[in-house]
Amino acid sequence: QKEVEQDPGPLSVPEGAIVSLNCTYSNSAFQYFMWYRQYSRKGPELLMYTYSSGNKEDGRFTAQVDKSSKYISLFIRDSQPSDSATYLCAMSFNQAGTALIFGKGTTLSVSS
Amino acid sequence: DVKVTQSSRYLVKRTGEKVFLECVQDMDHENMFWYRQDPGLGLRLIYFSYDVKMKEKGDIPEGYSVSREKKERFSLILESASTNQTSMYLCASSHQPGLSTDTQYFGPGTRLTVL
Repeated sequence: QKEVEQDPGPLSVPEGAIVSLNCTYSNSAFQYFMWYRQYSRKGPELLMYTYSSGNKEDGRFTAQVDKSSKYISLFIRDSQPSDSATYLCAMSFNQAGTALIFGKGTTLSVSS
Repeated sequence: DVKVTQSSRYLVKRTGEKVFLECVQDMDHENMFWYRQDPGLGLRLIYFSYDVKMKEKGDIPEGYSVSREKKERFSLILESASTNQTSMYLCASSHQPGLSTDTQYFGPGTRLTVL
């Protein structure tokens, strides 16, 4: 069983749809959870960062962590064509950016 | 804003050549990382460094070496490039744990093709 599982997609939705992106993980010691967005031929950029369980909202984006189920989600409301990208989940045991474990990414396409 | 820059966006080299990939960050971060990214395999850590002149092997260090002579600069070296090293190479940096709730910030990537 891989440490972090992420459905690769592709996921295609119409503009304005609510998008749900998910990752599952096997190691209950993970404490910090991140979502990165990567546009084609660019480096990943940090989108959301959460610690432990709960929700975090930033504009149209909501990150949700359920540690009891070992499941994290990223919700995008009112999706836009500019949201078309690959979304990578990442997680770590410790604070601040060493030994991140990445999912393989989900490719999202939002059509206008 | 954190800025991580990489010396080349695209690079084409021949088998057997020695290849240098340079990465510079401007936020005084202690930690720096080199990854490669391949379709279906995701991001894989090659090497990382938590201080000047310090380095640690990641998951796939074979065929690579690194150099960190200055805090802001982290170089990846392919001693003798091979075709299976054709990939997207990504550099990242982060603060040392305990100083902030920071995470890794990535550069734009270098797409290396080895012929």
